[in-house]
Amino acid sequence: AQKVTQAQTEISVVEKEDVTLDCVYETRDTTYYLFWYKQPPSGELVFLIRRNSFDEQNEISGRYSWNFQKSTSSFNFTITASQVVDSAVYFCALKRGNFNKFYFGSGTKLNVKP
Amino acid sequence: KAGVTQTPRYLIKTRGQQVTLSCSPISGHRSVSWYQQTPGQGLQFLFEYFSETQRNKGNFPGRFSGRQFSNSRSEMNVSTLELGDSALYLCASSQEGETYNEQFFGPGTRLTVL
Repeated sequence: AQKVTQAQTEISVVEKEDVTLDCVYETRDTTYYLFWYKQPPSGELVFLIRRNSFDEQNEISGRYSWNFQKSTSSFNFTITASQVVDSAVYFCALKRGNFNKFYFGSGTKLNVKP
Repeated sequence: KAGVTQTPRYLIKTRGQQVTLSCSPISGHRSVSWYQQTPGQGLQFLFEYFSETQRNKGNFPGRFSGRQFSNSRSEMNVSTLELGDSALYLCASSQEGETYNEQFFGPGTRLTVL
């Protein structure tokens, strides 16, 4: 069975602080894909990043970075120098290699205060 | 390129009624998936259509059904509405091919059942 766990329900930080959102996944597949999506109050899910199971290279995109570790089944997301506009709910998701079906975590609500 | 569009954006129905939601995918995308988002259950996969055929299905009762047209537009129908069907219904589209592409989400239809 596939499962994605985001243990942090809600996080509050002050602007310019760094924050890490945790994601732990479960799957027996060898080929799978991991995603992060951002959901602002408007409701639309915005794609942030995709990683496949064969690529453990960490990635940095501006203030965002992702740490993928297969040994711990984790795909954590760090925002450096957070901004108020980063306030949103962030979802981690898993997609099996042969199925176009996403398994989402329960989401982490990030509040960035000025 | 226009994004995924969903209509209507908001809907209020009463128990026992039925409802039809519409989704227009990004031009060229042939896969359309539907998700239900509720505070209690989070984001749950309903079904996926590809080339007018249901390809994947989640664990929802038969009251939830869908279809896809030759132009890839999709509709989702819920019959005999229950209070628990109140949710944000998100549609996502992706390009042909199952194994790698992220899904692009629409803004959702917020359904309230009274």
